[in-house]
Amino acid sequence: KAGVTQTPRYLIKTRGQQVTLSCSPISGHRSVSWYQQTPGQGLQFLFEYFSETQRNKGNFPGRFSGRQFSNSRSEMNVSTLELGDSALYLCASSATSGNNEQFFGPGTRLTVL
Amino acid sequence: AQSVAQPEDQVNVAEGNPLTVKCTYSVSGNPYLFWYVQYPNRGLQFLLKYITGDNLVKGSYGFEAEFNKSQTSFHLKKPSALVSDSALYFCAVRAMYNNNDMRFGAGTRLTVKP
Repeated sequence: KAGVTQTPRYLIKTRGQQVTLSCSPISGHRSVSWYQQTPGQGLQFLFEYFSETQRNKGNFPGRFSGRQFSNSRSEMNVSTLELGDSALYLCASSATSGNNEQFFGPGTRLTVL
Repeated sequence: AQSVAQPEDQVNVAEGNPLTVKCTYSVSGNPYLFWYVQYPNRGLQFLLKYITGDNLVKGSYGFEAEFNKSQTSFHLKKPSALVSDSALYFCAVRAMYNNNDMRFGAGTRLTVKP
């Protein structure tokens, strides 16, 4: 099976712009979660989607949003970018949730200038 | 809400020596516990998980972890460390019987010296 793929791998944006990141989960996986990883804050949960519904949401401002499509692919969007949004954004998929481990993609490195 | 603590930012061991990376958790009810490893410029890779049953869980690359309910701990261990084990290790918890999100610890950087 192909692993989790994320596009693009690298992005450079300027403050105030918006960005959309894409994640394709492992075939058959219905749960997709997004995380932000920074040196200072570590891994922080953004949101989880399951069967096109947002099931959980972390403590991030409304500028961070996401969605999931019927084929389980997911996108996350960040509007009005700030310097502090520079991070590695990781997507993870799992068959369901609960006791299933998550499989992570390689991440999208976002740099905001 | 659930949480995870990894009390050591850094662990250094010599190659061939046993290693332990510590993790404690807090969750309402019974936990699902996970260990992941991250190599430079890569996503996280699953190592092992505890769901129920035997408290000693064996995982990938010779790693194992022991679930201790009374101490709310889930320490990662390996009998003989390799230089290639050097990486960032994350412990994670999710509450059983609940759709709560997965919470990760801050990570522990393991360095194995030849």
